[in-house]
Amino acid sequence: EAGVTQFPSHSVIEKGQTVTLRCDPISGHDNLYWYRRVMGKEIKFLLHFVKESKQDESGMPNNRFLAERTGGTYSTLKVQPAELEDSGVYFCASSISGRPGKLFFGSGTQLSVL
Amino acid sequence: DQQVKQNSPSLSVQEGRISILNCDYTNSMFDYFLWYKKYPAEGPTFLISISSIKDKNEDGRFTVFLNKSAKHLSLHIVPSQPGDSAVYFCAASASFTGGGNKLTFGTGTQLKVEL
Repeated sequence: EAGVTQFPSHSVIEKGQTVTLRCDPISGHDNLYWYRRVMGKEIKFLLHFVKESKQDESGMPNNRFLAERTGGTYSTLKVQPAELEDSGVYFCASSISGRPGKLFFGSGTQLSVL
Repeated sequence: DQQVKQNSPSLSVQEGRISILNCDYTNSMFDYFLWYKKYPAEGPTFLISISSIKDKNEDGRFTVFLNKSAKHLSLHIVPSQPGDSAVYFCAASASFTGGGNKLTFGTGTQLKVEL
């Protein structure tokens, strides 16, 4: 069974540019999450989808970040325009309902904004 | 305001000995706690969890202890093996938030198991 897949694995962009990260969750997982780890600090929650609906987006830093999950399958996270402080590793995770806390994470996208 | 704290950024242990990783939390609403392990260039992987109604959960070489009055949990690995070398993240959730799936993580502890 394929795990959570994230693309790209690395992205280097200049301040002011736009970047789109993609996540393909494990098939059949209704829950999809985005997390971010900045500079070796804690892994912080960004948002949670249940199927195509945003369940909780309380962790989104500001309106430069836009997440979508079309058709309840894959998800994209767009940063526009990117700022220096957006650099970090963006993790996507998925889970099935009824298993609290047991998330399956992708390998992450390392985003560097120069 | 960090609600989950791992005060030891690193820990070094000899192979075969016990590794003890510690975690403290401040939010009384947390009722489910987890440990994740992370290797370089990979995402975190679930290791073990414990509900607030228990004070101990064991799975093979891994045991998690929860002390609710002290708001403290620990992960014991015995015996430690070189393959256990990784970053260990403590995480917590409150069941009323997104079905318990909104995790609050600590900053991680780098465990190194030496031969």
